[in-house]
Amino acid sequence: DIQMTQSPSSLSAAVGDRVTITCRASQSIDNYLNWYQQKSRKAPKLLIYGASTLLSGVPSRFSGSGSGTDFTLTISSLQPEDFATYYCQQSYTAPLYTFGQGTKVEI
Amino acid sequence: QVQLQESGPGLVKPSQTLSLTCAVSGASISRGSYFWSWIRQPAGKGLEWIGRISTSGNTNYNPSLKSRVTLSLDTSKNQISLKLSSVTAADTAIYHCARDTSFPMLRGVISSFDFWGQGTMVTVSS
Repeated sequence: DIQMTQSPSSLSAAVGDRVTITCRASQSIDNYLNWYQQKSRKAPKLLIYGASTLLSGVPSRFSGSGSGTDFTLTISSLQPEDFATYYCQQSYTAPLYTFGQGTKVEI
Repeated sequence: QVQLQESGPGLVKPSQTLSLTCAVSGASISRGSYFWSWIRQPAGKGLEWIGRISTSGNTNYNPSLKSRVTLSLDTSKNQISLKLSSVTAADTAIYHCARDTSFPMLRGVISSFDFWGQGTMVTVSS
């Protein structure tokens, strides 16, 4: 199985900060990488697919980059509603999908 | 808007079978080029994909769970069912259902979970 490793596991930030989350795959996954946001006790929400394409309706302060094994999710200016846990997920070996362990963004 | 809602017993005894349903509204579970997946989340841990079923009833399972998992469609109720047999404490988790959709990319297509249910907590304990 392809292992997905996120860093950091948690971070503290303030409103307005630029935040970067990293996701590393144990082998190349090309750009078959999705990012999700999960707020406490809520359904996860797809933000980005194909490593860098924002789903319609997702604010432009979110961006994704990377290819191969290393990927990043960036929030350019953190807003109060962005405090949540973020997960990466690979679809390279679909349908055997694997997720990162999550990064919790806290105040 | 597609909505998914999981339901089932919150407590299951060890060695018994866990049975959950996912009620879907806003989409037909038997139409379109989609799959319907189950994903679980043990407390304090990451997400684990369990398996998926197509709109025509074809299934794929995580090899680590394949011998214990059965997914099925109930088209009369527009629901997807999950059965996990011989459960242990390691199966304690929040169980989510999600729609698995293919998005086009410059090269190829990518499978992504575009709608999720909120999840239902299942505890395995005697």
